[in-house]
Amino acid sequence: DTAVSQTPKYLVTQMGNDKSIKCEQNLGHDTMYWYKQDSKKFLKIMFSYNNKELIINETVPNRFSPKSPDKAHLNLHINSLELGDSAVYFCASSPQRRQGLANEKLFFGSGTQLSVL
Amino acid sequence: DQQVKQNSPSLSVQEGRISILNCDYTNSMFDYFLWYKKYPAEGPTFLISISSIKDKNEDGRFTVFLNKSAKHLSLHIVPSQPGDSAVYFCAASANNQGGKLIFGQGTELSVKP
Repeated sequence: DTAVSQTPKYLVTQMGNDKSIKCEQNLGHDTMYWYKQDSKKFLKIMFSYNNKELIINETVPNRFSPKSPDKAHLNLHINSLELGDSAVYFCASSPQRRQGLANEKLFFGSGTQLSVL
Repeated sequence: DQQVKQNSPSLSVQEGRISILNCDYTNSMFDYFLWYKKYPAEGPTFLISISSIKDKNEDGRFTVFLNKSAKHLSLHIVPSQPGDSAVYFCAASANNQGGKLIFGQGTELSVKP
């Protein structure tokens, strides 16, 4: 009965391939995120969607394209994978943020370990 | 340009003693701070938070202290238990910057029995 689930857990692929990571949350939250944990272990935000609308788009290469078919799902598609894309990708969700409050308590999935060979 | 830093990658503490995890930040506009705990092969889970209008917040064995003038916060765990062994992430956000969370790189705590 996982609150935020992402698949696959592990993804090994060759350079140049296109791959997708799926994320679903059953918490009824309106906001979903993708974070990347790089080799230096920092968790960095990539995208944020609120009720299917893109609200945060960090300086991520346009090879990364998030898609939110509904507010419970936020998938990440990556084109032309590169070695530097190897990382752990975390999906997260949070309740709808009230205007003016920066108290985002995120609920994370267990991560997808992406290895590009 | 990392705005949130945890300069100790690891910390080892004896069971029953106090664990002190530190976090420094550079952005004076941050007004909300959070600590997350992460076990291997799991995602981070929220632990405790503090608003910039406070300097201390306590929840059971966990206390977070905020020193705004030093741009420093710390997480105290007392008494430490073996089940506290995990990676602890500090995070900060600012209302005027969209409220997005900026994370540190984590400190791995090991509590020895």
